[in-house]
Amino acid sequence: GAVVSQHPSWVICKSGTSVKIECRSLDFQATTMFWYRQFPKQSLMLMATSNEGSKATYEQGVEKDKFLINHASLTLSTLTVTSAHPEDSSFYICSADPRQGRTSYTFGSGTRLTVV
Amino acid sequence: DAKTTQPTSMDCAEGRAANLPCNHSTISGNEYVYWYRQIHSQGPQYIIHGLKNNETNEMASLIITEDRKSSTLILPHATLRDTAVYYCIVQDPGNQFYFGTGTSLTVIP
Repeated sequence: GAVVSQHPSWVICKSGTSVKIECRSLDFQATTMFWYRQFPKQSLMLMATSNEGSKATYEQGVEKDKFLINHASLTLSTLTVTSAHPEDSSFYICSADPRQGRTSYTFGSGTRLTVV
Repeated sequence: DAKTTQPTSMDCAEGRAANLPCNHSTISGNEYVYWYRQIHSQGPQYIIHGLKNNETNEMASLIITEDRKSSTLILPHATLRDTAVYYCIVQDPGNQFYFGTGTSLTVIP
């Protein structure tokens, strides 16, 4: 149980375009989801906390207008990278808080974004 | 910000126990210690967590010092598939996970 699915697994887009990444909790409801970014050979960096039905909370230094987060339902959060540039190329990972008696967060398998 | 420090890398012989240390000297009384691992280009995988007492599950054991300022993750019989980056995380009061640099464990045949 407590499975988080991310889609797509990888995506290549042209510079200046926008890309949407989906994070779904498959067998539980998640009022809170988290988005991370990971550059090669580096650790995961928390970008934002996504709250169902309300605005996301962004970490310091993360541009909210560039990384749009929507958490419109209890099973889906989306991250849209707007006007992508090559420096946005990274591994994006989401996680969700299953709650319901569990105390560990479940992570998605990640999305590899390459901007050309 | 991450509240933990870990060695950058470690090696372990296959079949031997892997002991991964973590310092979390600023941990508060009600903050849990979590361990996750990440195999290349995959999402982090939950291993174990604890508050005060030592914990054991099918994957590993977690030893937390009495003052809670450090802990050790023990993989009792390391296999080649245990080669990964291991992250020790203290959960933020806001329930966020801030990852530190982790320990890159290499299991050697």
